[in-house]
Amino acid sequence: GAVVSQHPSRVICKSGTSVKIECRSLDFQATTMFWYRQFPKQSLMLMATSNEGSKATYEQGVEKDKFLINHASLTLSTLTVTSAHPEDSSFYICSASWRGKADTQYFGPGTRLTVL
Amino acid sequence: GESVGLHLPTLSVQEGDNSIINCAYSNSASDYFIWYKQESGKGPQFIIDIRSNMDKRQGQRVTVLLNKTVKHLSLQIAATQPGDSAVYFCAEGTKTSYDKVIFGPGTSLSVIP
Repeated sequence: GAVVSQHPSRVICKSGTSVKIECRSLDFQATTMFWYRQFPKQSLMLMATSNEGSKATYEQGVEKDKFLINHASLTLSTLTVTSAHPEDSSFYICSASWRGKADTQYFGPGTRLTVL
Repeated sequence: GESVGLHLPTLSVQEGDNSIINCAYSNSASDYFIWYKQESGKGPQFIIDIRSNMDKRQGQRVTVLLNKTVKHLSLQIAATQPGDSAVYFCAEGTKTSYDKVIFGPGTSLSVIP
């Protein structure tokens, strides 16, 4: 149980285009979803926290207009990287938790974004 | 803001030996700690957690020790196996932001067959 999926697993796009990454909780209702960014050989950096039906809370230094997050249902959150540039190339990971066990996050497999 | 380190240390151990991975945290208000394992190209995988009212917790082949006095956390892996090779992260959370955790820098564990 508690499986989180991400789609796509890898994406390559041209500079200036927008890319959408989906995060789904497959067998539970995720009241909260988190988006992380990870550069090679570095740790996970929290970008934003989203609760179903409300606006995401962004961490300091993360541009909300650049990284659009939508959490429209209890099983789906999306991260859209708008007008992507090469410096946005990274590994994006989502996680999900549910109200009954808020201190446990279940992680997705990650999405490798490469911006040319 | 709080951070738990700035670089990725590495640890090499012989197969069958015990591994000890250390983590220092900076937020004295943290009261919940988790260890994750991340294999290359994958998302983190939960290993074990511990709350601040405990100083030791054991799982299958793993033990987490918490020393709140010096803000130190360790993960011990018994009889390390090649499949244990991965990057290990500690993460900390607080009562005021219970479901949000901050990740440490990670330690790369390499098991020598």
